[in-house]
Amino acid sequence: SYELTQAPSVSVSPGQTARITCSGDAFPKQYAYWYQQKPGQAPVLVIYKDNERPSGIPERFSGSSSGTTVTLTISGVQAEDEADYYCQSADISGTPNWVFGGGTKLTVL
Amino acid sequence: QVTLRESGPALVKPTQTLTLTCTFSGFSLSTTGMCVSWIRQPPGKALEWLARIDWDNDKYYNTSLKTRLTISTDTSKNQVVLTMTNMDPVDTATYYCARTTIRAGTSSGMDYWGQGTLVTVSS
Repeated sequence: SYELTQAPSVSVSPGQTARITCSGDAFPKQYAYWYQQKPGQAPVLVIYKDNERPSGIPERFSGSSSGTTVTLTISGVQAEDEADYYCQSADISGTPNWVFGGGTKLTVL
Repeated sequence: QVTLRESGPALVKPTQTLTLTCTFSGFSLSTTGMCVSWIRQPPGKALEWLARIDWDNDKYYNTSLKTRLTISTDTSKNQVVLTMTNMDPVDTATYYCARTTIRAGTSSGMDYWGQGTLVTVSS
């Protein structure tokens, strides 16, 4: 079955830039989506279609794609950004078989 | 204002069938491009997409769980129902429903989520 690979954890100090990557063989044929999940809460969509930001999401969140890796970048990290981040996409079978990555825990030091 | 709310049993026994209902408001599943998905998350683990139903009644399933899942809708009640057969303790998880909009064949992401419902499988 198709898999998306994320590093388990990333740590940054406040004000620095955090980069969270996600690798998958179907990139760049398939779009990537990113979700932020804080403890005890439902996920929140922060990036869609690789680099589009939903309304209400701060400009410090951005997405990019290069080859088989997509990246969520958080510029000027704030304490409130500490959360789990999941990438999501689909395989290239042609049917919407959606998959999530294993998640990356962002720690703000 | 778009809202979704999951409901169902908090506890099921192994081998039983789980039935969960997602009741939503603020959009219609009859509107072109609207979809509702089910996603689950075992305690301390990652999200797992389970199934999706679209405005045209097309249905899609996680290939690993396809034989156990059925998704359906009651558009008059603004509800989407998920059934999962032969429940096992490894199916213990928080189950979420979420809305997606499809435009020009492309998803805009799961933009609204319910708060989730915890289902424990135990005898």
